[in-house]
Amino acid sequence: NAGVTQTPKFRVLKTGQSMTLLCAQDMNHEYMYWYRQDPGMGLRLIHYSVGEGTTAKGEVPDGYNVSRLKKQNFLLGLESAAPSQTSVYFCASSWAGLTGELFFGEGSRLTVL
Amino acid sequence: AQSVTQPDIHITVSEGASLELRCNYSYGATPYLFWYVQSPGQGLQLLLKYFSGDTLVQGIKGFEAEFKRSQSSFNLRKPSVHWSDAAEYFCAVGAGEYGNKLVFGAGTILRVKS
Repeated sequence: NAGVTQTPKFRVLKTGQSMTLLCAQDMNHEYMYWYRQDPGMGLRLIHYSVGEGTTAKGEVPDGYNVSRLKKQNFLLGLESAAPSQTSVYFCASSWAGLTGELFFGEGSRLTVL
Repeated sequence: AQSVTQPDIHITVSEGASLELRCNYSYGATPYLFWYVQSPGQGLQLLLKYFSGDTLVQGIKGFEAEFKRSQSSFNLRKPSVHWSDAAEYFCAVGAGEYGNKLVFGAGTILRVKS
């Protein structure tokens, strides 16, 4: 079972470049999330989606955009990358409603020079 | 706003010794509480969760946690640590309408010495 798959796993960008991270899940989950992980700060929610065609802002949405055109995919875009966006990005998915368990991908390490 | 505090950044224990990782939360309503574990280079995996009922919850890999409302705590315990338990542990509180938006603590890195 693939679960939650993130691509790419590693990427180096120059300041001002754009890129898209792709998250795909094969569990038919309604909810999907993008988190960033920085040392000493845990995981912080960037954006999330409660269903196909919907998106919402999380705790740290500035500088990011997302789209959920298909239920199984959740894209995270950086239009103009900044060094402050150097981080490890995690995608997660879950069933709708009160379940609590998020299923995480293995992460995408992004470095912005 | 919801918040989670994990006071210990690093903890080192000997293999076979007992373990307790501390977690304090701030949340206005009844909290939904979780512990996740992250092995190096991996995503997070759910260890256990508390929604309601019995305040002592059992999880995978021999872990348990106790919810104490009076202390706003949800500490993780294991009676005997194995070398494979070395990882980073995150406490989280569920926010939002369905508790699916998790607010994470900063994490505690567990080192196990033989």
